[in-house]
Parts: sequence; structure tokens; C-alpha cells
Amino acid sequence: QKEVEQDPGPLSVPEGAIVSLNCTYSNSAFQYFMWYRQYSRKGPELLMYTYSSGNKEDGRFTAQVDKSSKYISLFIRDSQPSDSATYLCAMSRNSGNTPLVFGKGTRLSVIA
Amino acid sequence: GAVVSQHPSWVICKSGTSVKIECRSLDFQATTMFWYRQFPKQSLMLMATSNEGSKATYEQGVEKDKFLINHASLTLSTLTVTSAHPEDSSFYICSISGRASYEQYFGPGTRLTVT
Repeated sequence: QKEVEQDPGPLSVPEGAIVSLNCTYSNSAFQYFMWYRQYSRKGPELLMYTYSSGNKEDGRFTAQVDKSSKYISLFIRDSQPSDSATYLCAMSRNSGNTPLVFGKGTRLSVIA
Repeated sequence: GAVVSQHPSWVICKSGTSVKIECRSLDFQATTMFWYRQFPKQSLMLMATSNEGSKATYEQGVEKDKFLINHASLTLSTLTVTSAHPEDSSFYICSISGRASYEQYFGPGTRLTVT
């Protein structure tokens, strides 16, 4: 079993839809959870990070972490064509200079 | 967040030659930088952790003599792919840990094609 599982999609939604992206993980030691957005042929861009369980909201984006289920989610409200990208979840065990463990990424297309 | 640049952004080389990729932190002194590799439609796979002033730490399965890493200063790390082969063709991305150390900021990536 991989440490982090993420459905690669592709996921196609109409403009204005609510998008739900998810990852599951197996290592209970993960404490920091991140979501990155990656446009084609570009480096990943940090969208949101969360420590431990809970919710965090930033504009149209909401990140949720459920450590008991080892499940994290990213919700995008009022999705826009500019949101079309690959979304990668990432996690780490501690707050030091620790490399991240990434999911495979979910490719999202928002159709105008 | 921190700004990270990579050079070159795209390179084509012949099999057997070596290629050097630079990763620069433009506004933050990074004691640690990470090098990842990403194949098409795959996730980022960590290759090595680069520490300023010391030897890099390589992940299992990554040949340290093939992928030479030099972290010469707090703002520059280089990855040299030696004797490149077509199977080394990939997207190479570096990252640094930001001020909040669990945040990582990525460079724009370097696309390497070995013919």
C-alpha cells in the first residue's frame, strides 16, 4: 500500500460547480497536510496547509483533515476555468526540514 | 512565500553527456533544498535532500554518482545528471523549506529530454 493515495482523475466539472478532491494515507505519523496546485509544465504552487485535524478556509478553498480516518479533502467552491490544473496532496511527519510525501495528483478540468 | 528559480527551464541533450540544473532561492536563505523528479502523469518523487555545506542525502534507488548534488551556498543548489540516458528524461523540480518550515516552495521545474 502506498503511503498516500489519490485518485488521478481526470475530473471534469462545469464552471461554478463545487469540486471535492481527496487523499487517503496510511502513516498515522503525518501531522502536516498540504495541497498544491500544478499547472502543466510548471512547479507546484502551495495552496493551503493544515496542521493535524480540522478545517481551514481561504477564499473559495477549504481544506479538511480527518486524522482518525486518515483522510484529507480540498473543496473548491464556484470553480473557474482558471482552476483547471493538477492538484497534489502532500504530507509530512514533522515541521523540520522534512521532505514531503505526495499523492499522485488529480487532474481537474473546469469547463466554461 | 519564498521565490525559487531554476535554470534552464528546458534542455535537450545527447545520450552520454552531462547536464547541470541550477536551483536558486531568490529571497530566502535555505539551509535545505530538495530535488524531486516527476515523470508524465506521475507524482513528485523525492530524489535527494541537499544540505548547505555537506553531502546530500539520497533516497533509496537514486544513484548518487549519477545525480551529483552540490549545495554551495544558502541560495544555490545544483543537480548534475551525468552520462544522461533517455530514461533520465523527466521533469526535475527543486524546493526549499520556507519560514514556516513545513511549507515548501517549488521552483518552476526543468524539463530534460535525452535523445
